Amino acid sequence: NAGVIQTPRHKVTGKGQEATLWCEPISGHSAVFWYRQTIVQGLEFLTYFRNQAPIDDSGMPKERFSAQMPNQSHSTLKIQSTQPQDSAVYLCASSSQGANSDYTFGSGTRLLVI
Amino acid sequence: QEKVQQSPESLIVPEGAMSSLNCTFSNSASQSIWWYQQHPGKGPEALISIFSNGNKKEGRLTVYLNRASLHVSLHIRDSQPSDSAVYLCAARGSALGRLHFGAGTQLIVIP
Repeated sequence: NAGVIQTPRHKVTGKGQEATLWCEPISGHSAVFWYRQTIVQGLEFLTYFRNQAPIDDSGMPKERFSAQMPNQSHSTLKIQSTQPQDSAVYLCASSSQGANSDYTFGSGTRLLVI
Repeated sequence: QEKVQQSPESLIVPEGAMSSLNCTFSNSASQSIWWYQQHPGKGPEALISIFSNGNKKEGRLTVYLNRASLHVSLHIRDSQPSDSAVYLCAARGSALGRLHFGAGTQLIVIP
């Protein structure tokens, strides 16, 4: 069990460019969550999927952020026209189907927008 | 929207001491409360959870939950330098609901 795999580990983009972050959940886990973490804001919820269906995207900045889960084995978070304030660690987590299951987090993608 | 607040922001203790971390949540009906540990450069890792009023002990960890006061605490007995990390408290509103995280407590254990 390799855990939740996030790629790339680090990404540097220029202001206005697009960034795509990848997450491979633990096999058999039915829920995938995206968070971003900064020193100032802490851990902020972005969106989550259950059985590949989007359930709650209330944390997503609507205009430039989008997330997809085309199959059980991966999810992507896309940020268009990146801005310096998008710089953060983006964390993906997965959990199993059972009620009150804990989250297993990946190590994150550190995004720096310059 | 569940609100989770943690205190203190940072805590420094000597090796071997008891570390006590606090968390308040906004919904007395929250299904469960979780504590996660996060080391630098890593994602948070689940440590312990509690569902019912009272306490739960696992190894050097003890969690106390008081729903009436919307308060939960984590106590780490015999703290070790390897316990130095950020500790995140999280509340879950329903069994299949998502976790709502607090801002974290930075614990530093001095050898």
